[in-house]
Parts: sequence; structure tokens; C-alpha cells
Amino acid sequence: KNQVEQSPQSLIILEGKNCTLQCNYTVSPFSNLRWYKQDTGRGPVSLTIMTFSENTKSNGRYTATLDADTKQSSLHITASQLSDSASYICVVSARNSGYSTLTFGKGTMLLVSP
Amino acid sequence: NAGVTQTPKFQVLKTGQSMTLQCAQDMNHEYMSWYRQDPGMGLRLIHYSVGAGITDQGEVPNGYNVSRSTTEDFPLRLLSAAPSQTSVYFCASSYLGQGMYTEAFFGQGTRLTVV
Repeated sequence: KNQVEQSPQSLIILEGKNCTLQCNYTVSPFSNLRWYKQDTGRGPVSLTIMTFSENTKSNGRYTATLDADTKQSSLHITASQLSDSASYICVVSARNSGYSTLTFGKGTMLLVSP
Repeated sequence: NAGVTQTPKFQVLKTGQSMTLQCAQDMNHEYMSWYRQDPGMGLRLIHYSVGAGITDQGEVPNGYNVSRSTTEDFPLRLLSAAPSQTSVYFCASSYLGQGMYTEAFFGQGTRLTVV
């Protein structure tokens, strides 16, 4: 069964500090890995998408890494801001006959404190 | 460009009532899907569609029906609401990509409570 595990479950950091969120997956056949940000009461919004051949991808203060051999990914947030407070969801896509099915992690709830 | 629009945003139903959650997208995406999000769980796929007239079941389809008569619309019907269907529902759409990844766009969600 395809699975995506995220850690930690929740995290509190001070504004301006950095943090790293982790994602481990067992999804086959692997197509790509995505990180989404979900603000409270809103739908998920894509931060990055990485394919098998991509090790790292940045989007502003967000940097995602992917190790396809160990099936691990991380999302690093630099110089955190209060607006970064949200749930961060790791999503792995498996390819099935021309379209992708998505397996969602449970998310890491990040709270950035002033 | 509105993206993915869901209505209503909030709904309270009594057990046994039926209703339809609406989802519309204006990006001409072939692929549309419905998810539910429950506390402590990742989003779970209810039903999906790869084009008008084509639908299929996801991970948790029981108690829900869908249809896809147009590319733009993908309504989700609750046949006889149960308290276990209390959840936040998200509609998503994307292009179909042969050999390439495609961005999935999510609606704002519908928070449904069944009492």
C-alpha cells in the first residue's frame, strides 16, 4: 500500500528561525513528490514539485530536497515569518496508465511565534 | 481566472438528507477529483474523473456519487448523509500529463457537518 509519513506532527518556532520538515514515502511507481502549504480553512497550495531526477528545488524561502534512493524528502524554511504558520503536506504521485494518483501525508502543523 | 470554485463553503445536514457539493473549474482541465480531509488523516480520494462522461472510484467512495457531464463541472452527491460524512471536502483539478507531472489546483473546501 502506498504510504507517506511526515514528521514532526507539529512544530513551534520563533519568527526568523529556520526549520526542516521531513517526509518518508513508499509509493510505486514513483512519479513525483510535491509539497503543499495549507492555511487554516483554505485549500492546499503547491510549493514545489520534484521528479525522480531532481535533488532540490527552491521557491523563495522554501527549499525542498529529494533522495529517491532512500525515499525521503525534506522541506526547509528559511527566516520564518508569521505567515508561514500553516500545515505543510507532503504528497507523492504514482503514475497509473497516463494519469497520476496522489498519496497525501497527514501534514506537519507549523506555528511561527513572534 | 477563478481556478477551482466550490460551493457551498459551509453546510449542516440532518442524518438521512441528501445534497450536492458543487465544483467548477475554468482551466479546461481533464482531471478532476474529490477528497475528504479528516482530523489526523491525510486527504483521501473519494471519486475522480479523467474527462467528461468518465468517472471512477477512489479510496473512500461509499455513500457518494459523482457525474461529469461537462469538462468544467464535477458535482459530488451525498445520497443519505451520515455523521461519519462530517468532514471538509476538497475538489481538485489538473491537466492529464503523459510522462510529465501536472500541477493540481484545489478549491477552498466545503465544511460539512451531519447531525
